Order: sequence, then structure tokens, then C-alpha cells
Amino acid sequence: DQQVKQNSPSLSVQEGRISILNCDYTNSMFDYFLWYKKYPAEGPTFLISISSIKDKNEDGRFTVFLNKSAKHLSLHIVPSQPGDSAVYFCAATSTSGTYKYIFGTGTRLKVLA
Amino acid sequence: DAGVTQSPTHLIKTRGQHVTLRCSPISGHKSVSWYQQVLGQGPQFIFQYYEKEERGRGNFPDRFSARQFPNYSSELNVNALLLGDSALYLCASSGGPDNEQFFGPGTRLTVL
Repeated sequence: DQQVKQNSPSLSVQEGRISILNCDYTNSMFDYFLWYKKYPAEGPTFLISISSIKDKNEDGRFTVFLNKSAKHLSLHIVPSQPGDSAVYFCAATSTSGTYKYIFGTGTRLKVLA
Repeated sequence: DAGVTQSPTHLIKTRGQHVTLRCSPISGHKSVSWYQQVLGQGPQFIFQYYEKEERGRGNFPDRFSARQFPNYSSELNVNALLLGDSALYLCASSGGPDNEQFFGPGTRLTVL
């Protein structure tokens, strides 16, 4: 039972344009969401998070949007840079539970110069 | 400041053997979580420890066990290795069980 889904395994974007990565979840108990970036041979690096009490959180070029009614979140990267090329994972958790993270399967982003 | 460290970096074992993976959290962090990442999948939660107590366990068989030491470092043990245990094992530390988790580089385990 995949509670967190990233339906696009890969995405290619031109440098300078917007990258939009999507994530859907099924468990209504999830109330905290995170995005991680992963380069080969490294562990995931925390990017940005959002609590379910908000619908948007921004940090520099990265913005996460949360639509609770649709159980959908997205990560926007503007402008995209070649160094952003990596695998992006969304993760969800319930802060009233064991706080284990449930990860999606990842989206490989390639930013073309 | 040193991040999360894991050892060894790579490991090759044969079926039926036992393996111990080690993790040192970020200084001051008291919670450690373990994840298994199989190729093409996202990390899967195995265990979470906080203040040396198990706080959560994922859907893994009893062959998987872990512990946390007084200095907050942690070990993950896997007995009777199977081919399907081949994966990247990630350790994450956080200040507490409900804080953001920061990941180490992982240990790549190959079971032949």
C-alpha cells in the first residue's frame, strides 16, 4: 500500500524555467510533509517542509504548496539550475504518531543547460 | 560541524551471514532512525530510537534489530541475510523524535 506517491519517475526542464514536482498521499493522518533531494552516493538532503496548517512555504528558489482537500503537494523550483539535477523525494508523517517518514518513490529531475 | 556518519560505506556479504551497520548522529541529536532504500524505491522506515528506547518499528522481519547507545550512536543488525536485503541503509538523526531528520550518506550492502 503506497501511501505516498510520486507518479512522475522523471522530469526534464530547461535551465531558468520552472520545475514542478508532484506528490500525492492517501493517509489523512499525515500532517507534516517534507521534500528531500538526493544525489548519487549521498544520503537525502532536506530541502523544505510544510505543516498541514499552512498551504504554502517558501525558501529561496523553492516553494512547496499543499492542497489538503486533494491530498496533494507540489515543489516548485524557480529558476531551475543545472545543479538542481537530482532525485527528489517527498515524505509525509504524522506528528501524533511515531514520526516515521513515509517516502514516495522519487522523481529524477534533469535540468538542461 | 560533522553531519551524520555511517560505517562502513560499502559491504559485501553472502546469504545467511550477519551484518552490523553503525551510525553516529549529529552532535546534540538524541534520536536516530534507520531506513532501507532498495533501487528505484524511496527509503522505507525500519526503526526509530530516542534516548535509547525504541520509538517505532516498520514492517520488517525480526531478523532486523537495532539499539542505541548512551552516546546516542546506533547499530543496525541484520541476521540470516537474504539476497533481498541488498540495499542502501540510511541513518537519520534528529534533535527529538518529532524534529526534522538529517540523513547520513548510507551504507551500501550487497548480499551474494
